[in-house]
Amino acid sequence: DSGVTQTPKHLITATGQRVTLRCSPRSGDLSVYWYQQSLDQGLQFLIQYYNGEERAKGNILERFSAQQFPDLHSELNLSSLELGDSALYFCASSPRFKNGRAAGELFFGEGSRLTVL
Amino acid sequence: AQKITQTQPGMFVQEKEAVTLDCTYDTSDPSYGLFWYKQPSSGEMIFLIYQGSYDQQNATEGRYSLNFQKARKSANLVISASQLGDSAMYFCAMRENFGNEKLTFGTGTRLTIIP
Repeated sequence: DSGVTQTPKHLITATGQRVTLRCSPRSGDLSVYWYQQSLDQGLQFLIQYYNGEERAKGNILERFSAQQFPDLHSELNLSSLELGDSALYFCASSPRFKNGRAAGELFFGEGSRLTVL
Repeated sequence: AQKITQTQPGMFVQEKEAVTLDCTYDTSDPSYGLFWYKQPSSGEMIFLIYQGSYDQQNATEGRYSLNFQKARKSANLVISASQLGDSAMYFCAMRENFGNEKLTFGTGTRLTIIP
């Protein structure tokens, strides 16, 4: 158990719909990362938050948005869903932060498997 | 250009043999970290081992060791005495100290251990 909690584990929805994925980081971790894993794209970095503020943005579509709340949990919102959005969405948190930068490994949640029909 | 390259899409290894999974990387950052993760069929990402660019010795964690060759920009994972439970996808990843703090992942190698 990594200590990172993601809900829901599985989600099936239709094209055009909107879903919200939730993540609770490890206790004490301030950084949250979102990754998308699809068959043809591998593991793609989407976005990172640190202590409530966006820290870095990767290949995140405009239809997707995220936020980190004061209690440090994070949500990834996916809207106007398309078939190609079907993927495993991971949240990860960073266990150490030294000299103002993240260090060490990322601990991943079990992922939220999204299927768009 | 790919920052992390894993050239072996799949490997089959006999149980109890050692196996080496290849990883090469590309960075101009003098300070970086290299990571290996295991993803079993259940889907979770499990951290295995870490190597810092300034670490003098190769990292080891139990049956896992990292063969770090800085000049060749390679960070191969060696699994000794393979077990059936080692069957999984293995991902190499890198964090560069300049720029953002994400990990960039390779495309992975699917390892199958044969009894």
